[in-house]
Amino acid sequence: EPEVTQTPSHQVTQMGQEVILRCVPISNHLYFYWYRQILGQKVEFLVSFYNNEISEKSEIFDDQFSVERPDGSNFTLKIRSTKLEDSAMYFCASSISGYEQYFGPGTRLTVT
Amino acid sequence: AQKVTQAQTEISVVEKEDVTLDCVYETRDTTYYLFWYKQPPSGELVFLIRRNSFDEQNEISGRYSWNFQKSTSSFNFTITASQVVDSAVYFCALSEAEGNSGYSTLTFGKGTMLLVSP
Repeated sequence: EPEVTQTPSHQVTQMGQEVILRCVPISNHLYFYWYRQILGQKVEFLVSFYNNEISEKSEIFDDQFSVERPDGSNFTLKIRSTKLEDSAMYFCASSISGYEQYFGPGTRLTVT
Repeated sequence: AQKVTQAQTEISVVEKEDVTLDCVYETRDTTYYLFWYKQPPSGELVFLIRRNSFDEQNEISGRYSWNFQKSTSSFNFTITASQVVDSAVYFCALSEAEGNSGYSTLTFGKGTMLLVSP
């Protein structure tokens, strides 16, 4: 069964560094999302991406964040200058219809 | 604005007990979708069910069943004869239809941690 994959599974970085989180959505899906979950808290929407552009973003998704679909398969989230409060699990999701979203296993980002 | 409330923070049961996880939602849309996701200790989010606002029929899948009641804005999840492997955090989520574009974002509840002991 096709699934969303994410790499790396765990990323440790120092405050102020740039990180890129990678996702490979399910191949025939058209809608892509990033969510984050701070430890012990609920999952929060960051950004949605459709037709090669951002379709919606939350207040969390400020200028430090960017997303890209550099080729036909990858979908990346970049954090330009990480802060301690960016430590969280980041989930990528994809959907064929825009409604039923399938999540990847997540990348745990630890900012020290 | 949409909102999802899972009032139960943590539930502990003994194996084989039935357990119901509550979910109450708020939305101004008439068209919306409700979801349940399971997050086991390994951390991934596992899709369990999607239900649209026009389909109030209850659904059963093995030991899992869902009770959607529009009148009380609730979408409760029952596990029958719970097992240790059911131990996880369960999230209820809501998405609203975004016009003709089709896409929408998920609003999650805070989750209910279910602990099933042998």
